[in-house]
Amino acid sequence: QVQLVESGGGVVQPGTSVRLSCAVSGFSFRNYGMHWVRQAPGRGLQWVAGTSHDGGDKEYADFVQGRFTISRDNSKDTVYLDMNSLRSDDSAVYYCARAPSSGSFPNWFDPWGQGTLVTVSS
Amino acid sequence: QSALTQPPSASGSPGQSVTISCTGTSNDIGVYNFVSWYQQHPGKAPKLMIYEVTKRPSGVPDRFSASKSGNTASLTVSGLQAEDEGDYYCSSYAGRSNLVFGGGTKLTVL
Repeated sequence: QVQLVESGGGVVQPGTSVRLSCAVSGFSFRNYGMHWVRQAPGRGLQWVAGTSHDGGDKEYADFVQGRFTISRDNSKDTVYLDMNSLRSDDSAVYYCARAPSSGSFPNWFDPWGQGTLVTVSS
Repeated sequence: QSALTQPPSASGSPGQSVTISCTGTSNDIGVYNFVSWYQQHPGKAPKLMIYEVTKRPSGVPDRFSASKSGNTASLTVSGLQAEDEGDYYCSSYAGRSNLVFGGGTKLTVL
């Protein structure tokens, strides 16, 4: 059974950093690209970042502007999202999701994790 | 403001058909066949319903179909059932390693 489980969310202060993790099971993690997508409360979906199967290629949405870094550890079947200089508008549920192939190309995603909520507030 | 435009709501009675539109530009939907549709129930993760414009993942009922014409993609749900109620999002590759989503459509089964 394919599972993606995010963790690391919580309430953080503006300007600080947080690391999100997504642990996967049920499929050969090292063969797939992985992505992060976020959803602000009551709002729509927004693609954040993606990484290729080996971490060699990474793609970011324009709004990231160097503040976020996606990485992965294939020995731990885990993908990460390091977020720095957090702002209130970064508050959202962050989902990890599997790409259909090994690349970092943002196309379609299946399946998705249940998400982890990040709230940026003082 | 989302890059792709969807109607905020749609509705239909059980057994009826409903179509949700997703309008983009010649820089995304109009040029790439990488349109996807997701269903999201309250408090749940999105679920892939359609990929690459018209393809259905295994396990998705054939009541769900999709198409594209010009800069607009469409999702049709036939034979509406109560469990089809939820939010639906379209997405499209937009070039330069960018993916855009629509603002979502809330589908109500009357």
